[in-house]
Order: sequence, then structure tokens, then C-alpha cells
Amino acid sequence: GENVEQHPSTLSVQEGDSAVIKCTYSDSASNYFPWYKQELGKRPQLIIDIRSNVGEKKDQRIAVTLNKTAKHFSLHITETQPEDSAVYFCAGYSSASKIIFGSGTRLSIRP
Amino acid sequence: DAGITQSPRHKVTETGTPVTLRCHQTENHRYMYWYRQDPGHGLRLIHYSYGVKDTDKGEVSDGYSVSRSKTEDFLLTLESATSSQTSVYFCAISAGSGGTANTGELFFGEGSRLTVL
Repeated sequence: GENVEQHPSTLSVQEGDSAVIKCTYSDSASNYFPWYKQELGKRPQLIIDIRSNVGEKKDQRIAVTLNKTAKHFSLHITETQPEDSAVYFCAGYSSASKIIFGSGTRLSIRP
Repeated sequence: DAGITQSPRHKVTETGTPVTLRCHQTENHRYMYWYRQDPGHGLRLIHYSYGVKDTDKGEVSDGYSVSRSKTEDFLLTLESATSSQTSVYFCAISAGSGGTANTGELFFGEGSRLTVL
């Protein structure tokens, strides 16, 4: 079945700096790679996703890159702001529609 | 927000009692999922459904059962609750993307906080 590993588990960056979170997956048939953000006390919400026919996708300050050969994808946040503080999850989608999440990264932005 | 509601939102129960959590959607989405969230463990898949009466196990299914008798409702049952099942439970729905497997965005409910004493 699908296995997803996410690193790091915690990340603290200075406001204005960049943050990078990485996930590796095991199902070589996977073709959809999303990132979810969960603010304190709230539900997770999709912030960006990528499909396997592209290597990178950007949306303002966030981007996702995909390396299918190495089976990993990463979330990049540039010019971090206080509102970026949250827990971020990657997810692995298996061919059986089973959706497994990484263990999460708690991102803190230092003023 | 997608039309998804969970009930109850909070519940305190005692060890050994049965508990049922309900997830109700008004989006007519095909896929429904139950996750539990615990500190240090992220979101772990309990069970999921890919259609009416079609369900499958997730990562942590022991001690849980599910039923989906109609598109809009997905029930999660703890037959005999244990303290290890104290958690926040999230339901999620997805329309899928039209293929044989789900590659669509998940929309989460607000969560149900269950405490087993």
C-alpha cells in the first residue's frame, strides 16, 4: 500500500525567509500530489496540488515541485509571513483511492 | 465551504460503550473518508468509502466499523470504546476526478472531539 514520509516534523524560520517541506511516497502509480494546511483548531484545507504531468506549480508565494524518479515532492513557501504558521500535510493517493497523509510539519514563523 | 457536517461535534463517553459518529454531505460526492488526528501522528486513515455500500479499511481500522447505506451519510462506529480511541475525528469528502481512482481534493468536516474515560 501507499506509504508517505514527511520531513521535517517541525520547522522554525525567520519572517521573510523561505521554508521547504519534503515528502516521499512509495506508490509509483501515484499521479496526484497535494499539500494541505491546518491552522490551529481548524480543519485541513488544500493549498496547492500538482499532477504528475508537470514538474512544478506556483501560486503566489507557494510552490510545489515533483520528482517522480526519486518519488518525492516538496512544498516551498517564500517570503514567509506570520499567517503561514500552521501544520502542513502532504498526501499520497493510491490506485485504490486510499489517501494517506504524511505525519505533518509544524511551521513556526519567528518575528 | 463544501456541504459537510459531522455530529456530534463533542462527545464524552465511558470505556466499553458504543459510539457512532455521523458524517453528512450535501455535495453528492462519491468518496468519503474517516481520519483520526492525534498529537504526533498527523491524520491517520480509519476507513473510507468509494460508493454506497462500498467501503475499505485504512491504516488504523481495528476497533472501528463503518457503513454507507446512502450517498450522503457515512457512519463511523466504535463498538466498544477504549481510552486509546480518544481523539479528534475528521470526515472528508471528495468528488474524485472521473478516473478509476480518486485524485480529487478532499474537503474536511469541522471534526468531532471524542473523549473516552
